[in-house]
Amino acid sequence: GAVVSQHPSRVICKSGTSVKIECRSLDFQATTMFWYRQFPKKSLMLMATSNEGSKATYEQGVEKDKFLINHASLTLSTLTVTSAHPEDSSFYICSARGQVDTEAFFGQGTRLTVV
Amino acid sequence: KNQVEQSPQSLIILEGKNCTLQCNYTVSPFSNLRWYKQDTGRGPVSLTIMTFSENTKSNGRYTATLDADTKQSSLHITASQLSDSASYICVVSPNAGNNRKLIWGLGTSLAVNP
Repeated sequence: GAVVSQHPSRVICKSGTSVKIECRSLDFQATTMFWYRQFPKKSLMLMATSNEGSKATYEQGVEKDKFLINHASLTLSTLTVTSAHPEDSSFYICSARGQVDTEAFFGQGTRLTVV
Repeated sequence: KNQVEQSPQSLIILEGKNCTLQCNYTVSPFSNLRWYKQDTGRGPVSLTIMTFSENTKSNGRYTATLDADTKQSSLHITASQLSDSASYICVVSPNAGNNRKLIWGLGTSLAVNP
């Protein structure tokens, strides 16, 4: 399958700071990228969907001003957690898809810990 | 309401044994059903993808079945290995239209012991 690289794999930050997570499609052009959040022993929760060159579409209950998503190119999307709080600590996963109805591939995930 | 339910919630087997994981869904109509393997602290990796017209699909030691009439799917793992220890997640993709959000099950946590 195609390769999606997510960086960093782990990050610890202080409350009030911002953290940026990168998601790159290494061998295909990602028309659409998805950002998920996963709590322990829970299923993945879709946070937002972003199409290259467009504003992201956020799921209900997800604060767009807190979770900034940028999808400026066909191979890179970023998620910035602004003014992080301890309750933002979670596992964040991105996935990338080429054309509609094709399979989406997942990154390795980022473990964010806010102290 | 679209739902995906998996059983058992967790399972422990001995290395070399076979096991079968179950998935029941209420998503209708649906485009495809997927099984993912997720290692602890890692992103999901696709094992199989089946459309509603497919009954079975294999990927090495993994074989998935689908009964669209009863809305059930299973994932059979043959000759389990220690590296099979992971969470196995059933995911259903609703059919066409604007709502393409995947419906995720909670997963079955599999532990393979030596």
